[in-house]
Amino acid sequence: QLQLQESGPGLVKPSETLSLTCTVSGGSISISTYYWGWIRQPPGKGLEWIGSIFYRGTTYYNSSLESRATVSVDTSKNQFSLRLRSVTAADTSVYYCMRQVREDGGNGNDYYYMDVWGKGTTVTVSS
Amino acid sequence: SSELTQDPAVSVALGQTVRITCQGESLRNFYGGWYQQKPGQAPLLVLYHKNNRPSGIPDRFSGSTSGNTASLTITGSQAEDEADYYCNSRDRSGTVIFGGGTKLTVL
Repeated sequence: QLQLQESGPGLVKPSETLSLTCTVSGGSISISTYYWGWIRQPPGKGLEWIGSIFYRGTTYYNSSLESRATVSVDTSKNQFSLRLRSVTAADTSVYYCMRQVREDGGNGNDYYYMDVWGKGTTVTVSS
Repeated sequence: SSELTQDPAVSVALGQTVRITCQGESLRNFYGGWYQQKPGQAPLLVLYHKNNRPSGIPDRFSGSTSGNTASLTITGSQAEDEADYYCNSRDRSGTVIFGGGTKLTVL
């Protein structure tokens, strides 16, 4: 059974860089069907997609975070990572890594959904 | 528009049927999933491809799409269905978008 596990510091200082890693177990990250990515959830609020990566390195990001976010992949370790630069208190959230399905449904339609999630890790931005 | 709109809160009596809706123009072409999130837990995919259930999701969960609206229906609601429910889609640039979430209370 595929499992995803986030790891990284739980406390980051303002203006510094948040770095998280997601380790994939029970399956390979190098499968053409899937993207791998990050979603966050501020306390008491909804879900916000940050960005996703294909195992060959193709990335795409939420335009609101693109200038600060970098998602990378290490297929030799079956891991992918998130770096978010210049953080502020507004970046305090639970961060989830996930597996994303992108399927062409034909006729200009497609399917984008997240079928496997990590348990999440809380990151607080504070001095 | 790249927004998805959900009712903030919905309630249902135990054993009754409830429909949770998600509205947005992107849903005419770009389909996502429905996610259940209980307090302190990660979201769980409960529906995809409009009306497919992942393994382990009870068949009381079903879905449909009409025009710009996607619906999640729970037939015979159980106490354990009380949770927040989110829909998702994508916009034309490929950005994944989520609805604001619906808090379901089972009375």
